[in-house]
Amino acid sequence: KQEVTQIPAALSVPEGENLVLNCSFTDSAIYNLQWFRQDPGKGLTSLLLIQSSQREQTSGRLNASLDKSSGRSTLYIAASQPGDSATYLCAVCGSTGNQFYFGTGTSLTVIP
Amino acid sequence: NAGVTQTPKFRVLKTGQSMTLLCAQDMNHEYMYWYRQDPGMGLRLIHYSVGEGTTAKGEVPDGYNVSRLKKQNFLLGLESAAPSQTSVYFCASSPGFEQYFGPGTRLTVT
Repeated sequence: KQEVTQIPAALSVPEGENLVLNCSFTDSAIYNLQWFRQDPGKGLTSLLLIQSSQREQTSGRLNASLDKSSGRSTLYIAASQPGDSATYLCAVCGSTGNQFYFGTGTSLTVIP
Repeated sequence: NAGVTQTPKFRVLKTGQSMTLLCAQDMNHEYMYWYRQDPGMGLRLIHYSVGEGTTAKGEVPDGYNVSRLKKQNFLLGLESAAPSQTSVYFCASSPGFEQYFGPGTRLTVT
């Protein structure tokens, strides 16, 4: 069974710092990987989706990378802002396209 | 497009009561999912559907039932609520390969 791990569980950084969130998965037979943001008491908002054939995907200050062979993805956030404070989850999609496996998330706090 | 909507947003039940949570999507997606989210446990899949009229068990199906009579709706039922079912419930839909989430339902069972 696919297992997805996100370390660290919590991260606190001062405003303006660049930071990296990590996601690892045990089975490299994935179709894609999706990064989500979750604000307290809210649902999940998709940030980036990176296909298994891609190495990187960028949106504004966010950059996601994927190394399928090693079972790792990173989410890079440049010039962090207090508004980036949230929980970030990664999810891998299995090759059938209808099975998704989630990590438990990294809770990010950006201190003004 | 409303996307994925969930009804109700909040609910308090007493042990033994029953209720139904409604998930609706207007994106014509084939796949729909119900998850529960608990502190430190992440998202756990309860049931899912791969099309109208189909349902399947996920990781934690006990105590829940589901129905998908219409493609756009996916209902989650609790027949006899227990305090262990206190959680935040999320519905998601998918056209395949990526998911879209609803805002969640916060359920408390006393």
